[in-house]
Amino acid sequence: EVQLVESGGGLVQPGGSLRLSCAASGFTFSNYEMHWVRQAPGKGLEWLSYITGSGNIIYYADSVKGRFTISRDNAKNSLYLHMSGLKAEDTAVYFCVRELAEEDAFDIWGQGTMVTVSS
Amino acid sequence: QSVLTQSPSASGTPGQRVTISCSGSSSNIGSDYVFWYQQLPGTAPKLLIYMNNQRPSGVPDRFSGSKSGTSASLAISGLRSEDEANYYCAAWDDSMRNWLFGGGTKLTVL
Repeated sequence: EVQLVESGGGLVQPGGSLRLSCAASGFTFSNYEMHWVRQAPGKGLEWLSYITGSGNIIYYADSVKGRFTISRDNAKNSLYLHMSGLKAEDTAVYFCVRELAEEDAFDIWGQGTMVTVSS
Repeated sequence: QSVLTQSPSASGTPGQRVTISCSGSSSNIGSDYVFWYQQLPGTAPKLLIYMNNQRPSGVPDRFSGSKSGTSASLAISGLRSEDEANYYCAAWDDSMRNWLFGGGTKLTVL
């Protein structure tokens, strides 16, 4: 079964750091571009970051540029999001998402991991 | 405020046809494909329409997408209670080098 499972969320103080992980299974992870998307409580979806299969091309949304870092370890079938300088407005559910290259579609989503930034 | 604009809500009765719209600009919808995602309450989003009007396997043909210029639409025919969800449009923006989502439309089946 094709699956993405996020972990690493939790409660963190403003200004703090956190690393999210996403474990992929059921497909050849290195062949796929991956994304992080978040959803604040009661709000819509916000795209955060993208990384190619090899990791050589990376994009960020302006809202997280300079604070968040996306990375991947294809040997471990894992995607990561290192978050620093966290703010209250970063409170959200964070989704790991697979992209179908030819279709550019976000076809597989993880269940999400909740990050709460609060003192 | 999202760069892709959707009406916050839509509604219909069972069996009806409803349309959800998404408005963008020349740097996103006007120059690239539009995608639609369905998010049922308490769940992760699910791909509904890709490349403007293509349905992934398993998505009923009651769902259809279209695009014209800088706007796109999602139509749902034969509305069913299980269609009650939030629907999001998405597109790549060439100038921002970002993926964009619309603000979402909450569909209520009366």
